[in-house]
Amino acid sequence: DIQMTQSPSSLSASVGDRVTITCRASQTINIYLNWYQQKQGKAPKLLIYAASRLQSGVPSRFSGSGSGTDFTLTISSLQPEDFATYYCQQSHSTPPNSFGQGTKLEI
Amino acid sequence: EGQLVESGGGLIQPGGSLRLSCAASGFNVSSNYMTWVRQAPGKGLEWVSIIYSGGRTYFADSVKGRFTISRDKSKNTLYLQMNSLRAEDTAVYYCARDVTYCGVGSCEGTFSDPWGQGTLVTVSS
Repeated sequence: DIQMTQSPSSLSASVGDRVTITCRASQTINIYLNWYQQKQGKAPKLLIYAASRLQSGVPSRFSGSGSGTDFTLTISSLQPEDFATYYCQQSHSTPPNSFGQGTKLEI
Repeated sequence: EGQLVESGGGLIQPGGSLRLSCAASGFNVSSNYMTWVRQAPGKGLEWVSIIYSGGRTYFADSVKGRFTISRDKSKNTLYLQMNSLRAEDTAVYYCARDVTYCGVGSCEGTFSDPWGQGTLVTVSS
């Protein structure tokens, strides 16, 4: 099975900051990488799929990049509503569609 | 876009069985890939199971042989039958629709959207 490793596990930032979260796959996954945002007590929400394609309705301050094994999620200017936990997920050679361990973004 | 609503969670003793339901609206469960993901208290997301539109099913190693996934076309509902439950199965269980997309040279990518609100399963004596 493909293992996904996110870094950092937690991150402190301020409103207006530019933030980058990284995700590394244990083997190449093409561009089959998704990013989700999860707020406390809520279901995950899809932000980005295919490494860089923004899901409809997601603000343009979110962007993704990468291919192969190394990927990044960038938030260009943090807003108060962006403080949440972020997960990457691979969908290459599925199943299982394994998730990273999560990155908690805190004030 | 569609909506999913889970039900069936609750408190169950170790070794017991429980069936979760996931009612869909706005799209057909039988025509889509449908998946279950769980999240133990304070932990990350764990993929559990998928049923493809053609009926093929897969399970995480942690639940293989104990859980089954199925669907009812007439009720437009997805199910997760959980048997021989263990304390480590305690989690919020989410259902989601998996949507396929293409990458470079192949179309094997999927993402999960929408998700249900989740239902809590607690395995404890």
